[in-house]
Formats: sequence, structure tokens, C-alpha cells
Amino acid sequence: DQQVKQNSPSLSVQEGRISILNCDYTNSMFDYFLWYKKYPAEGPTFLISISSIKDKNEDGRFTVFLNKSAKHLSLHIVPSQPGDSAVYFCAASARGYGGSQGNLIFGKGTKLSVKP
Amino acid sequence: KAGVTQTPRYLIKTRGQQVTLSCSPISGHRSVSWYQQTPGQGLQFLFEYFSETQRNKGNFPGRFSGRQFSNSRSEMNVSTLELGDSALYLCASSDAAGWQSSGEQYFGPGTRLTVT
Repeated sequence: DQQVKQNSPSLSVQEGRISILNCDYTNSMFDYFLWYKKYPAEGPTFLISISSIKDKNEDGRFTVFLNKSAKHLSLHIVPSQPGDSAVYFCAASARGYGGSQGNLIFGKGTKLSVKP
Repeated sequence: KAGVTQTPRYLIKTRGQQVTLSCSPISGHRSVSWYQQTPGQGLQFLFEYFSETQRNKGNFPGRFSGRQFSNSRSEMNVSTLELGDSALYLCASSDAAGWQSSGEQYFGPGTRLTVT
């Protein structure tokens, strides 16, 4: 059973517009969430993270929103650029419950295409 | 600072053989995690090592094992290879010493293993 779900396998957005990538989770013990970007033939690159004590974290064009009651998080990219085209993975860990940051549970990814 | 390095980048093995993959973490990072990425299952956690001790383990058979050396370098071994072991094996390092730390993991480029 998938604990972290990214229900949209792909997303296409026009350059300059907002990209919204969604992620749902089922495990209430998850208390730390991360987004990674992956290009072909490369390892995932860390983008942004959020602790469960917050509901929003912003870093430049990237903002992550966390809705704990809905067990849902989203990544907003504004404005979207062609270089943002990649596969985006949502990941979660249960740091404060005896887990460790070393065990990340990943979603299956959403392929974002930003068209010029 | 140099990034996470993994060797070899590509490997072809035959069923029944064993293989050893190597990972050198970012200097100063003591946590090393291993993940398997396949098209069907996505990124799945194998195990994490911290200060030469396995701190966490995913749901993989005992054929998958690892170790970490005093310089934090890590190796992963797969014995009695099966066709289904064909995958991209990713190593990630972090400076995670406790749950309070940021815990972002930095990934290497991966080793592409093909089992024939």
C-alpha cells in the first residue's frame, strides 16, 4: 500500500504560469516532507522541505503548502520556466517517531513539462 | 564541496552472480542511505547507515546487504542476482545526526544495474 501518492503522472504548463504539483500521504506519523526534482540520468536533487509544525515554506519561485488535516501537500512553482521540466518526487519521513531522516518514503513522481 | 559519487555508473551482470556497488558521501556527512528505483515501483528505500551502523532497513530480502566504513563510504551488495534486480541504485548522504537536523538527503547519480 502506497503511503505517499502522487496521483498525476504528468502535468503540462505554459511558461510563466503557475505549476501546482500535488501529493497525498496516509501515515499520520510523517512529520517531515520534501520535494525532489529529477532529470534523466541524474540522481534526485533536493528542492524544498517542510516540517509538520508549519503549513507553508517558501524558497524563491518554490512554495510548499502542507494541509495536515487532509494529509495533503502541494508544490507551487511561480513563474514556471522551461528548465523546470523534470520529474518531481514528493517524499516523507517520520523523524520524531523513532524514524530517521535516512528513510524517505517517495511518491512515484509527476513529470512536469513547461512549454515555451 | 564534492557531491555524492557512486561507482560504477553502469553494470551488467548475469543471474546468480553477486555485485558490489560503492558510494562516497559528501565530506562530513555521516548518514548514507540506499534506494532502488524501478519504473514500476518508483524509489524504494533499502537501508541507511550512520556511523558504521545500520540505522534503518526497508522491505528487501536478505540478498541485499550493505556496510559503512569509518570514513563514511558505503558499499551495497546484492547476492544471487535475479532479473528483477535490474534497476537504478541510488545512494544519498545527509548530515543527519538527530531528528532535529534538517535531514535533506543529497543523491548521487546512481548505478544502473542490468541483470541478464
